[in-house]
Formats: sequence, C-alpha cells, structure tokens
Amino acid sequence: SQQGEEDPQALSIQEGENATMNCSYKTSINNLQWYRQNSGRGLVHLILIRSNEREKHSGRLRVTLDTSKKSSSLLITASRAADTASYFCATARPGGYQKVTFGTGTKLQVIP
Amino acid sequence: GAVVSQHPSWVICKSGTSVKIECRSLDFQATTMFWYRQFPKQSLMLMATSNEGSKATYEQGVEKDKFLINHASLTLSTLTVTSAHPEDSSFYICSASPGNPQETQYFGPGTRLLVL
Repeated sequence: SQQGEEDPQALSIQEGENATMNCSYKTSINNLQWYRQNSGRGLVHLILIRSNEREKHSGRLRVTLDTSKKSSSLLITASRAADTASYFCATARPGGYQKVTFGTGTKLQVIP
Repeated sequence: GAVVSQHPSWVICKSGTSVKIECRSLDFQATTMFWYRQFPKQSLMLMATSNEGSKATYEQGVEKDKFLINHASLTLSTLTVTSAHPEDSSFYICSASPGNPQETQYFGPGTRLLVL
C-alpha cells in the first residue's frame, strides 16, 4: 500500500488565506519531501525535511515533521491563485532503497 | 539547470502497437532514472527504477515484458509500452537523479498516452 496518505483530498480557499495540508505515513523514514504538480504537468520539488528535523521554512512554505506521529504538514501562507495545484508528499525509507513513495495528494484551489 | 525532457508529450496509438517514450536529462548526468504512471486524479505509482548500464528494477505487479525500460546512457532512458491496450492509457512521468535519488529527483513534464 502507499506510504503516505494526505488530507484533505481537496481544499478550496480564497486568495490571501493560508492553506494547510497533512501527510501521514506508515514506516520509518530518512526524509520527507513535498512536491507540487500543476494540472497535466510534471512535479516540482518544494522542500525536503530530514527525519531529525522538526520544522523547515522556504519562502511562504512551512513544513513540520512529527516522527512520533508519523505525520507532516505543509503550510502555504498568503496563498495566491498561482498556488492552485496538487500537492504530494513523498517519503524516503531507510534500508538501501533508492526510491521515494508518493502520497495520495491534496488538490488545492485558490480562488482569486 | 536540472532540466528533464520527455518525448513525445502526447501520443495516440492503436491497440496492439508499441510506443516508445524518451526521458532525457539535459544538463546533468543521471545515475538513476525512475518511471512513474499516474491515473487521473491519482498519485504517482512507481513502475521501475533504472540505473545506467543495468537492468531496470520493476515494482511488484509491473510486467517487465510489457514495459521495457532501457537506460543506455547517463542522459537517456526509454520506456517502451509493447502491444499497447486501452488500459495502458495513462500519464507516464520520468524523473532523473544526479546523485542520491532519495533526496534529489528532477521530473520530466510527462507523456500522455491514449491507446484506441
């Protein structure tokens, strides 16, 4: 089964509001990453947080990681219409794996 | 920098034919490439991991003989869908990593395949 599950599945907010999406996973990880996908396009890497980190910021993005709860959250502050996209978390497991496993995704719509 | 291209971006083919999709890293050498499949409104499902000069490692449930992967050089990987059927219609995305693939993957724009 997939490593990560995200909620909500869909989120609609007004421009200027904050958007929060959550990712839960099942096993231990080396790191957790967040990606954005515009409709019908490839993925863009947003931010990576390592298992020994609790919080990370990048511009309007804030990511938290709680390894005890096996969960992460992505906060987008002061959202813009251009933030409309699907957001996926991806987890990298220890044990010699090369791959990462993607979560189910949150579809964000920011209304101008 | 770190651009990955895919060709073609769109392909329509008849059932029973084979389709080849190319994935190229344009400005870096990719020791590892990945092929994903994505159904509408769903997440990315990893199909296989490809290391240059080695046979691809396929995920459970992915048919090796149907989805042929060749990673012939450090900048090119190809996915060939053999004897395509309508259920193979999907969005195929590749990614490439110049180093640790668990930390850095650059994604191509995807290829939409429609099998009639």
